[in-house]
Amino acid sequence: GALVYQYPRRTICKSGTSMRMECQAVGFQATSVAWYRQSPQKTFELIALSTVNSAIKYEQNFTQEKFPISHPNLSFSSMTVLNAYLEDRGLYLCGARGGQDSQNTLYFGAGTRLSVL
Amino acid sequence: QEKVQQSPESLIVPEGAMSSLNCTFSNSASQSIWWYQQHPGKGPEALISIFSNGNKKEGRLTVYLNRASLHVSLHIRDSQPSDSAVYLCAVSMKVSGGNYKPTFGKGTSLVVHP
Repeated sequence: GALVYQYPRRTICKSGTSMRMECQAVGFQATSVAWYRQSPQKTFELIALSTVNSAIKYEQNFTQEKFPISHPNLSFSSMTVLNAYLEDRGLYLCGARGGQDSQNTLYFGAGTRLSVL
Repeated sequence: QEKVQQSPESLIVPEGAMSSLNCTFSNSASQSIWWYQQHPGKGPEALISIFSNGNKKEGRLTVYLNRASLHVSLHIRDSQPSDSAVYLCAVSMKVSGGNYKPTFGKGTSLVVHP
């Protein structure tokens, strides 16, 4: 079956430092990857949408300078949170889809929970 | 920018009852609507999707889509305690480059008590 693994599951970083999180697709080719943040207030925000061999599209309020993303192949994507502060806390979810059709299922990992001290 | 609103925020039903969850969206050109289930500590898992006006049934789940009123609903028949989770509505819009951008609502927290 199609699975998405994210690691680490949890991480704590000091304010102003950076941390990298990874997303691995197993059992399908992740042509499209969406990174989301689920905040303590339960808001589900899209950070960016990435398609292999295409430019990564960031949503308003999120920038490549703050959340650089790499999507080098059909099974892997990573995102870094640079200079993390309290407002960056939350559950970061990677959703991967095998194909660009909206009818293709978006498979999610369990997320990386980021705490900032 | 697509806006997705879900109601109610939380729902408590007895075991065996019907659970009804609602979702409204802002753009009738939205391509597809998905419902996801999220248990604590896990990522969302796709449950059912609908693309055309009307209804779709899968097992105990029925989803109704009315594009004219920008409304979609999910109904869970014979609700079980194991159905207790957060249910997320996701609406996909086509964006430049041929990709689809899913926008999620804040979710409905469903509790089914024995």
